[in-house]
Amino acid sequence: GESVGLHLPTLSVQEGDNSIINCAYSNSASDYFIWYKQESGKGPQFIIDIRSNMDKRQGQRVTVLLNKTVKHLSLQIAATQPGDSAVYFCAEGRKGSSNTGKLIFGQGTTLQVKP
Amino acid sequence: ETGVTQTPRHLVMGMTNKKSLKCEQHLGHNAMYWYKQSAKKPLELMFVYSLEERVENNSVPSRFSPECPNSSHLFLHLHTLQPEDSALYLCASSQDPSGRAVDTQYFGPGTRLTVL
Repeated sequence: GESVGLHLPTLSVQEGDNSIINCAYSNSASDYFIWYKQESGKGPQFIIDIRSNMDKRQGQRVTVLLNKTVKHLSLQIAATQPGDSAVYFCAEGRKGSSNTGKLIFGQGTTLQVKP
Repeated sequence: ETGVTQTPRHLVMGMTNKKSLKCEQHLGHNAMYWYKQSAKKPLELMFVYSLEERVENNSVPSRFSPECPNSSHLFLHLHTLQPEDSALYLCASSQDPSGRAVDTQYFGPGTRLTVL
């Protein structure tokens, strides 16, 4: 079936600590994975993506890890800052019925950064 | 700014009204999407347009009617909505999904719709 799940609805971390947000997906045919950040009153903002031929990709302060064996995706944020407080969504991508790209979104994890 | 704009940002309408949501992308993309975001639910894909042709309609009620006059503009026409249609409506665009791997979608800020 189509479902993308995040393990925790809320994650609270201390400023300066590292954050890890997890996501499980169900469809082994998915070949593209992406993380979005959504702040209050804004649309989802692209953070980082990874294709299925990779198991790790790094950006600025963020790392995405992909474990295809257990269908698990994680987002690591180094030295978490107050500005990182937001809802984080993972999404898995694959071709839809008409050969167009389709993203299936998880429910989101709210990251709260304590000063 | 992501290069995708949406107007209006907020809309309150009665169940008998007709209104339209507008989306414009300045990224040179060829595919555009409408999503519905309700509280405590994942984003729900409503419509997909690729090269101005509707290629996906995810069982959306006919009271929502999309229109894509060109690759930069996307509209969502609303009529006789129900209170349960109140949500954040998001527009997104991507490079060109046809025949290629899935591309990153870039979102606008959304229209917060309230149906009374």
